[in-house]
Amino acid sequence: QKEVEQNSGPLSVPEGAIASLNCTYSDRGSQSFFWYRQYSGKSPELIMFIYSNGDKEDGRFTAQLNKASQYVSLLIRDSQPSDSATYLCAVHSFKTIFGAGTRLFVKA
Amino acid sequence: NAGVMQNPRHLVRRRGQEARLRCSPMKGHSHVYWYRQLPEEGLKFMVYLQKENIIDESGMPKERFSAEFPKEGPSILRIQQVVRGDSAAYFCASSQTGVDEQYFGPGTRLTVT
Repeated sequence: QKEVEQNSGPLSVPEGAIASLNCTYSDRGSQSFFWYRQYSGKSPELIMFIYSNGDKEDGRFTAQLNKASQYVSLLIRDSQPSDSATYLCAVHSFKTIFGAGTRLFVKA
Repeated sequence: NAGVMQNPRHLVRRRGQEARLRCSPMKGHSHVYWYRQLPEEGLKFMVYLQKENIIDESGMPKERFSAEFPKEGPSILRIQQVVRGDSAAYFCASSQTGVDEQYFGPGTRLTVT
């Protein structure tokens, strides 16, 4: 079992829809959770971090954390073509582990 | 407030040469991480350093690769006797405490001919 798992995608959503990206992790002791966006040919860019159970909203992005289910998700509301990228989930327990990423494609 | 800086951005080496990649962390950050990424693949952790110390090198090949983060100056990832399989993007990231978010540099694209 991988330590941080993401569906590789591609996830395709129409413009204006909600994109839902999911991530599960294996270490119950994990304390910090991060979402990064990586455009093709560019470096990963931090979007959000979340430490506590529940939702955290920032603009069109909402991170959701459920430690009991070992599950963290990222919702992107009103998806735009410019949101098309690979989204990386990262989880920190004694070290930070990155998932392989989910490719999101937003169709205009 | 400058972000993480990496140089060179592009590096071309012939097989058998040495490659030196440099990373200057964000101001106030003393934790540095190196990752490798092949085209269309995920980030692969290589090494984690904190000033003058290697904390975790579990992702680094045992041969030809080395990393350092001296008291003064940037972190260096060194690849000796490069082979074509070393061609990749190498990203450096830094964090303030080692448990918080990492910020990435623009990467160095290494091409081995």
